[in-house]
Amino acid sequence: DAGVIQSPRHEVTEMGQEVTLRCKPISGHNSLFWYRQTMMRGLELLIYFNNNVPIDDSGMPEDRFSAKMPNASFSTLKIQPSEPRDSAVYFCASSRGPGELFFGEGSRLTVL
Amino acid sequence: AQTVTQSQPEMSVQEAETVTLSCTYDTSESDYYLFWYKQPPSRQMILVIRQEAYKQQNATENRFSVNFQKAAKSFSLKISDSQLGDAAMYFCAYRSAVSGNQFYFGTGTSLTVIP
Repeated sequence: DAGVIQSPRHEVTEMGQEVTLRCKPISGHNSLFWYRQTMMRGLELLIYFNNNVPIDDSGMPEDRFSAKMPNASFSTLKIQPSEPRDSAVYFCASSRGPGELFFGEGSRLTVL
Repeated sequence: AQTVTQSQPEMSVQEAETVTLSCTYDTSESDYYLFWYKQPPSRQMILVIRQEAYKQQNATENRFSVNFQKAAKSFSLKISDSQLGDAAMYFCAYRSAVSGNQFYFGTGTSLTVIP
């Protein structure tokens, strides 16, 4: 069974550019989470979806961040315009019911 | 909101020895799940062990075991016969079984294994 798949693994971009991170959750999982990890702030929940519906987006830093889940097998996290302080590792994770989270390998974003 | 506290930012252990990582949490709920995740330098978060709050028996997975004290809201991880591959960041996490799907993570403990 394939795990959570994220792309790209690494992204280097310039300030002001649009960044789109992608996630394919594990088939059959009904919850999807986006996290951001930095040395300074640790692991932060950005948003989570339940049955493709955004439930809590209070962790989204500001209007520059948006997330979508058009179907059960795909989600995107978009940053527009990107800023250097957005540099971090972004994780996608999925779960089925109230069980454990399964994480992807993360997308390392560097904004110059 | 629930909070998860890991009071040990860094720990070290001699190879083959035993180490215990601490975790406490705050909740008013009675039904929930607790987890320990491992994040090696490769950065992927890997589930180490899980504990359902309604189970009195402490969970065990090979060399990893927990000491779950529900009344004290404590959930420590014991690693026996430590191996070099155990070196990683360890995160404690809480998830309610009833109110929403959100996970709450601690700030992590960095474990060094000394050869």
